[in-house]
Order: sequence, then structure tokens, then C-alpha cells
Amino acid sequence: ETGVTQSPTHLIKTRGQQVTLRCSSQSGHNTVSWYQQALGQGPQFIFQYYREEENGRGNFPPRFSGLQFPNYSSELNVNALELDDSALYLCASSLAWDRVFDYGYTFGSGTRLTVV
Amino acid sequence: DAKTTQPPSMDCAEGRAANLPCNHSTISGNEYVYWYRQIHSQGPQYIIHGLKNNETNEMASLIITEDRKSSTLILPHATLRDTAVYYCIVRVEATGGFKTIFGAGTRLFVKA
Repeated sequence: ETGVTQSPTHLIKTRGQQVTLRCSSQSGHNTVSWYQQALGQGPQFIFQYYREEENGRGNFPPRFSGLQFPNYSSELNVNALELDDSALYLCASSLAWDRVFDYGYTFGSGTRLTVV
Repeated sequence: DAKTTQPPSMDCAEGRAANLPCNHSTISGNEYVYWYRQIHSQGPQYIIHGLKNNETNEMASLIITEDRKSSTLILPHATLRDTAVYYCIVRVEATGGFKTIFGAGTRLFVKA
């Protein structure tokens, strides 16, 4: 097992720019979810992908979009960055979407995005 | 949507049991309750989950009330390394799949 790897670990962008965050899932996992965690708050669910299709979404605008690739790695794209998008972005992978919080659900350490 | 409510912080003496409560009064019959914890600068770590029955593993015990409106996570012998934010989580069925809802969590301070 290699765990969940996210890149980059830290990133600074300017308001209005676009950003792409990357996640490499744990070996064998076919489901990936993305979360936004503002300072001092709990993670907020953005969306989930199962076998390259989105199968769940939280209350985030369409400028938050994602992709899952055949090797189950994933990207989170955010367009037209706003100051409030500054947060820790977490990726989590699992083996199957219907029991995603079983033991196989593994979080990465996150990407810290700062929008200035 | 089922949501969870937790106290913002709790203290516990090292070696004693830590009992962390969670209210999920709007939970529906097929929704599991999950507990995760997050240590500073790390991603959340799975602890335990359950549906109706009490559960126990090597890390903790989960006690779910009969009406399923609340639960308690028990760390039987807290250590300093258990200091973390503990999240009670419910997975909610949604159009096209599901979504997960984290609360603000309980910040547990284990003191020597």
C-alpha cells in the first residue's frame, strides 16, 4: 500500500486564476472524494468519483470540477478563484463507493491553497 | 439531510476513558455513523463506524442509542497522542450517489 498522495502540498494563487490539484489514490481503490477544509472548521464534501463518473456532490458551485482517470488518480479544478477558496483541500480514496467509509477509506495530507 | 452536533471541546486525563458524544437526530434508517479523527496537519484517520449495534475495535468503542439519534465514541484509555479533533460523520443518500457531512468536530485535549 502506498497511501494517498496529494500534490502540491502548498500553493499560492491570485484571485481570478485557475488551479488544478492532484491526487494519487491508494493502490486498488476505485473511488475518490474531495473535501475543502477552512481553518478551524470540519471538512466540507465537494464531490466524489467512482469509476471516472461523479456520483455525489456537495454544495459547491460549478467552478469546482473534477476528473478521475482510468488509473483512479484524480484532479480537482477550481476556476475563477476567490479569496474564500483559501483552504486545505483533502482527497480520500476507497475501494467501493457504497461503503466508502469502511476501513479502506484513506485520506491524503492535503494541499494548502492560499488565494491572494 | 442528517447532520451531526458535537461539543466543541473536551478535556480528558491521561489513562482515563474519553467519552465523546454526537447527536444525529435526523439520521435515517440506512445511514451509518462514522467517526474519524484529525491530528494537526494530517488528513482525517478512520476510527470506527456502526449502524445500529454497538461496535468495538482496537482503537475505540461506539455506542449507538436504540433510537439512533445519538452515539458516543469511547477511547478506553486515552493517551497524549489521542489529542486531536474527532469528527462524527453521517453519509447521506443524494441524487446520483451520496454525500458526506462532517460537523465541526470535538477538539479533545488529553492532559498528563
